[in-house]
Amino acid sequence: DIQMTQSPSSLSASIGDRVTITCRASQGISNSLAWYQQKPGKAPKLLLYAASRLQTGVPSRFTGSGSGTDYTLTINGLQPEDFATYSCQQYYTTPPAFGQGTKVEIK
Amino acid sequence: QLQLQESGSGLVKPSQTLSLTCTVSGGSFSSGDYSWSWVRQPPGKGLEWIGLLYHSGSAFYSPSLRSRVTMSLDRSKNQFSLRLSSVTAADTAVYHCARGFCGGSSCYLLDSWGQGTLVTVSS
Repeated sequence: DIQMTQSPSSLSASIGDRVTITCRASQGISNSLAWYQQKPGKAPKLLLYAASRLQTGVPSRFTGSGSGTDYTLTINGLQPEDFATYSCQQYYTTPPAFGQGTKVEIK
Repeated sequence: QLQLQESGSGLVKPSQTLSLTCTVSGGSFSSGDYSWSWVRQPPGKGLEWIGLLYHSGSAFYSPSLRSRVTMSLDRSKNQFSLRLSSVTAADTAVYHCARGFCGGSSCYLLDSWGQGTLVTVSS
């Protein structure tokens, strides 16, 4: 099985900051990498897929990059509604696997 | 707009069977472009994929849970369900249902989710 290692597990940031979250797969996943946003009591929301493609309706301040085993989610200009938990997921092979999540908190 | 809503027992005794249903509105099970998954999140931990149903009704389960999981589709009610047998405290989690987009060779990209329901395993 592929393991997904996400870091950091939490971070504190201010409105307007640039935030970077990384995700490493235990083997290559050919850019089959998605990022999700979770808020307490709400349905998780797909933000990006194929490592860098923005899901319809997601603001362009969210960007994704990476290849092979290493991937990054960047939020450019953090907004109040962005304080949430972010998780990566590989959907390259069975079973699909998620990172442990990164909680983005207000500094 | 697609909506998914989980329902079922929030408290299950150890060794018993957990049963949940996901009601889908604004979408159909007939399209081969989509699959239907269950994902859970134990308190303080990451998301864990449990299994999926293809539009045909055939199921595929996580190897770690395969021996205890059964999923099924009810097209007449636009619902799909999860049964997890012989539960222990380790099965306490928020359980989400989700739709997967089938692109390329994978149906695991989850593009719509329910908000989840907490299931606690306790006597």
